[in-house]
Amino acid sequence: DARVTQTPRHKVTEMGQEVTMRCQPILGHNTVFWYRQTMMQGLELLAYFRNRAPLDDSGMPKDRFSAEMPDATLATLKIQPSEPRDSAVYFCASGWANNAQVNSYNEQFFGPGTRLTVL
Amino acid sequence: GENVEQHPSTLSVQEGDSAVIKCTYSDSASNYFPWYKQELGKGPQLIIDIRSNVGEKKDQRIAVTLNKTAKHFSLHITETQPEDSAVYFCAASMGQPGGSEKLVFGKGTKLTVNP
Repeated sequence: DARVTQTPRHKVTEMGQEVTMRCQPILGHNTVFWYRQTMMQGLELLAYFRNRAPLDDSGMPKDRFSAEMPDATLATLKIQPSEPRDSAVYFCASGWANNAQVNSYNEQFFGPGTRLTVL
Repeated sequence: GENVEQHPSTLSVQEGDSAVIKCTYSDSASNYFPWYKQELGKGPQLIIDIRSNVGEKKDQRIAVTLNKTAKHFSLHITETQPEDSAVYFCAASMGQPGGSEKLVFGKGTKLTVNP
């Protein structure tokens, strides 16, 4: 069945190292979201894309985080350099948006997440 | 920006009892309110949602109510079962019709259903 996939599922790294997380959205979905989950802050939106173009990345620390969609089947979130405070679970979600469709709010499907630990 | 408050943070009930989780939102422009269930080690999964033109929605044992005037919405689970144990998140969005827009989440409620 269709689902969002994320790799790696777990990542342990040293402070200062580069981290790249990958997401494969559900085939046919045109909107991709990156969320970060921590105990203190809960689920926070970092960035999202529509038709591979960034729509909003205001939740993302710009100096060290970057998000891209090289193609419709791959979204990446990169942290360089990583810091201990970046330790969290990072979720990717995808959905479908059709602005021509009235009164339809479409579900976001979440992946299983990448648990990042920065030592 | 939008702010979503969720209460309680933890809830423990006996199997068969009802559970109620409440959320308030700050931005009157929000018009879409989904509820997600997150099991341990998994991503959140949508269980029910409601739009601002509807006051109540039911799906078997779960229901959601929305009070636009007071800017609060609630999740009701009846006849709880142990498999309902999970973390539940409410969210709000200023979604566009036909859209899949960014969500602002509450901090979550850890529900434990005791057999």
